[in-house]
Amino acid sequence: QKEVEQDPGPLSVPEGAIVSLNCTYSNSAFQYFMWYRQYSRKGPELLMYTYSSGNKEDGRFTAQVDKSSKYISLFIRDSQPSDSATYLCAFHPDTGRRALTFGSGTRLQVQP
Amino acid sequence: KAGVTQTPRYLIKTRGQQVTLSCSPISGHRSVSWYQQTPGQGLQFLFEYFSETQRNKGNFPGRFSGRQFSNSRSEMNVSTLELGDSALYLCASSPGDGFQETQYFGPGTRLLVL
Repeated sequence: QKEVEQDPGPLSVPEGAIVSLNCTYSNSAFQYFMWYRQYSRKGPELLMYTYSSGNKEDGRFTAQVDKSSKYISLFIRDSQPSDSATYLCAFHPDTGRRALTFGSGTRLQVQP
Repeated sequence: KAGVTQTPRYLIKTRGQQVTLSCSPISGHRSVSWYQQTPGQGLQFLFEYFSETQRNKGNFPGRFSGRQFSNSRSEMNVSTLELGDSALYLCASSPGDGFQETQYFGPGTRLLVL
């Protein structure tokens, strides 16, 4: 079983839609949860970083973590064509080791 | 502040050759990590350096090596290139060695092995 499962998509939505992106993980040691956005031919850019169960909001983005179910989500409200990118979930454990474990990424296309 | 820079951006090599990639972290950042991104395996951790010391290494063969200089710039080297080494190699920097610190990624070096 892979440590992280992420639906690869592609996910196509109309402009203004609410987007839900999800990852499940199996490693109980993961205590830090991140979402990165990667545009074509660019490096990943951190969107959200959280370490506790519950919701964290930043503008149009909300990150949700459920440690008991080992499930994290990213919601994008009022999606824009500029949100078209690949979204990667990432994790690392609560130790001094900072190697990130990434999901495979979900490709999102927001249609104008 | 300038972001993480990586050189070269694109590289074509043939099997058996070796390659060196360079990463300049954000000014003031002392930690550099390297990742390999391929369509099949996704993003995988290669190694991490802090203050010229390798702190952590991923599950890659010994053909992959790296180092960090006193100015925090880092290089990674791949010897005896194989076709499967074709990938986007990403460098990420962070201010120190605190494990909650954000890692900022560069644009990557795209390596094609023929």
